[in-house]
Amino acid sequence: EAGVAQSPRYKIIEKRQSVAFWCNPISGHATLYWYQQILGQGPKLLIQFQNNGVVDDSQLPKDRFSAERLKGVDSTLKIQPAKLEDSAVYLCASSFRLAGVRTDTQYFGPGTRLTVL
Amino acid sequence: GESVGLHLPTLSVQEGDNSIINCAYSNSASDYFIWYKQESGKGPQFIIDIRSNMDKRQGQRVTVLLNKTVKHLSLQIAATQPGDSAVYFCTGHGNQFYFGTGTSLTVIP
Repeated sequence: EAGVAQSPRYKIIEKRQSVAFWCNPISGHATLYWYQQILGQGPKLLIQFQNNGVVDDSQLPKDRFSAERLKGVDSTLKIQPAKLEDSAVYLCASSFRLAGVRTDTQYFGPGTRLTVL
Repeated sequence: GESVGLHLPTLSVQEGDNSIINCAYSNSASDYFIWYKQESGKGPQFIIDIRSNMDKRQGQRVTVLLNKTVKHLSLQIAATQPGDSAVYFCTGHGNQFYFGTGTSLTVIP
C-alpha cells in the first residue's frame, strides 16, 4: 500500500514570497490533515478535511495560509506571503475515517521542510 | 486549554535495556491516546494506541500503560535496539489530536 505522498520535500524562499505544498493521501482515506512542525516541537494541526469539506481550521493563520481539497483527494497548502516564523516542516496525514470516531490512525507523509530567509 | 506533554525531553538507554517514556495530559475528556515514533527526516509513525476504558495494551516489544487517575501514560519498549532511536510523541484525543513536545530516545550501542 502506497503511503502519503508530499512534494516538494524541501523549499527555500525569501520572506514575503509565496509557496505551495502538495499532498496525496492514501487511497480511500477520507480525512486529510495538515500539520506544522517547528524544530524541536510536536506537530501542530493547521487544518483538517473530511472529503472536500473543512472540519477544523481553528489554528490556521487565515490571513496568510490557505488550503483546499477540491475533489476530496489531493490537497494543497499555500502560504502567501511567507514570514520568517513560517520556517518549519509541513506534514500531511490521512486517516480512513474522521478522527472523532476515536479509532483512527493517522498516516503521515515525509513532510516538506520550508526555510524562509 | 488541552495539553499533552512529556516528562523528559531526552532519554538515553543502553542497547538491550528496557525504555520507559512518560507522558501527562490535562484533558479529562480525552478518551483515546496514540504513541508515535518520529525518526529524523520522516513523518511520525504509529506505534500503539489505547482507549480510556483500558489501562494496558501490549504490542510487539511495546506496552502502553494508562493511569486515568493521575492522567498519565507511559510507553515501555522492551530490549531497546538502535533502531528505536527517535523522538516519541504521545497524542491525546479530545476534540482533536494534540501532540506533546516529544521525548528524544537515544540508544547507546
